[in-house]
Amino acid sequence: SQTIHQWPATLVQPVGSPLSLECTVEGTSNPNLYWYRQAAGRGLQLLFYSVGIGQISSEVPQNLSASRPQDRQFILSSKKLLLSDSGFYLCAWSSDGTGLRHLNTGELFFGEGSRLTVL
Amino acid sequence: DAKTTQPPSMDCAEGRAANLPCNHSTISGNEYVYWYRQIHSQGPQYIIHGLKNNETNEMASLIITEDRKSSTLILPHATLRDTAVYYCIVSPLPGAGSYQLTFGKGTKLSVIP
Repeated sequence: SQTIHQWPATLVQPVGSPLSLECTVEGTSNPNLYWYRQAAGRGLQLLFYSVGIGQISSEVPQNLSASRPQDRQFILSSKKLLLSDSGFYLCAWSSDGTGLRHLNTGELFFGEGSRLTVL
Repeated sequence: DAKTTQPPSMDCAEGRAANLPCNHSTISGNEYVYWYRQIHSQGPQYIIHGLKNNETNEMASLIITEDRKSSTLILPHATLRDTAVYYCIVSPLPGAGSYQLTFGKGTKLSVIP
């Protein structure tokens, strides 16, 4: 079965410090990968998505970046955090649409989330 | 911007059916209707999806109007654990170009004892 893990679960960082959140998926190959952010009291905002190794699409211009060094690894980074970067970050995966039809439901599977507080 | 419209909040008595509406008047022919829910401090959880026929699974039922411009998610016997934010999303299946689900603000459902 497929699983998704992201870490760390919680972190508190000072303004101007770097950030690295990591997400890995097991039990599937060539997944689509996503990073979402949820600020306090707000909806989910899609930050980045990737359809393959080294292929990153950014939805919102900001001081965050994403990388996909391996098929099932997705990393969210920042060189200098801002106060506005605080929030709940969620990694997710979906099938790439090339699998068996009955498995290609388009369902997004989310990780446990990483809560970032920038002080 | 989200392609769906949902009421910001709803209340439902425990044990009664919860009917959550969603308008998607600009839905395209190849777009499915997806429902997710998010319990506080957790990642969203998939509930159900459909194209044009009504769908039912162990969690809920999805009723899509014949013109596909609106739908209703039905939780037949709401429990306190169903208190969550419910998101209605329209999207084609993966494989139709880039696949990404855009979450709006959803409906906050409160199940009342």
